[in-house]
Amino acid sequence: GQQVMQIPQYQHVQEGEDFTTYCNSSTTLSNIQWYKQRPGGHPVFLIQLVKSGEVKKQKRLTFQFGEAKKNSSLHITATQTTDVGTYFCAGVGGSQGNLIFGKGTKLSVKP
Amino acid sequence: ETGVTQTPRHLVMGMTNKKSLKCEQHLGHNAMYWYKQSAKKPLELMFVYNFKEQTENNSVPSRFSPECPNSSHLFLHLHTLQPEDSALYLCASSLLAGSYNEQFFGPGTRLTVL
Repeated sequence: GQQVMQIPQYQHVQEGEDFTTYCNSSTTLSNIQWYKQRPGGHPVFLIQLVKSGEVKKQKRLTFQFGEAKKNSSLHITATQTTDVGTYFCAGVGGSQGNLIFGKGTKLSVKP
Repeated sequence: ETGVTQTPRHLVMGMTNKKSLKCEQHLGHNAMYWYKQSAKKPLELMFVYNFKEQTENNSVPSRFSPECPNSSHLFLHLHTLQPEDSALYLCASSLLAGSYNEQFFGPGTRLTVL
């Protein structure tokens, strides 16, 4: 079945540094969603991208959807300790068109 | 917080026990999901229900048996589990099933199988 590959698996940054996680698919995605899971918490929806080349911003977070709709990225500018957690992308997979989650990128931020 | 509750939050069971996990959503959604989260496979979709009908079973072993009596409640019945089934079991809901709908997750049940 279709998979969404996410890299890197782990990222350690100093507070104030930037962070980027990438999501790639071998096939065209109809849309992509991003979620954040804080340590000990549950995934929380961040955003959905639908259009080719779409860029959306949420404060220090910038989300991009590739022109070919096969990749996406999440960029955080000037990380803060509150950004700690695992960031998941999710795209369509399976026979019923449900979301399939990538393995996530675990971000740690050193103050 | 998110309108999706799960009980119990923690469960320890032996391999011969039978237990059930419960999920309830107060969001008026029509789709509900079970996920398994472990170190090896962070968010693994297990089952999907849309308007009380099961629309996806992601090759889940029969020792996991879901039940959806109505759009607000979802159960996962467990029997004869294996230690490798120890994981965080997350329930989620969305307005409708399908990839365009934002999913709201519950806090999860941390399951340990001895």
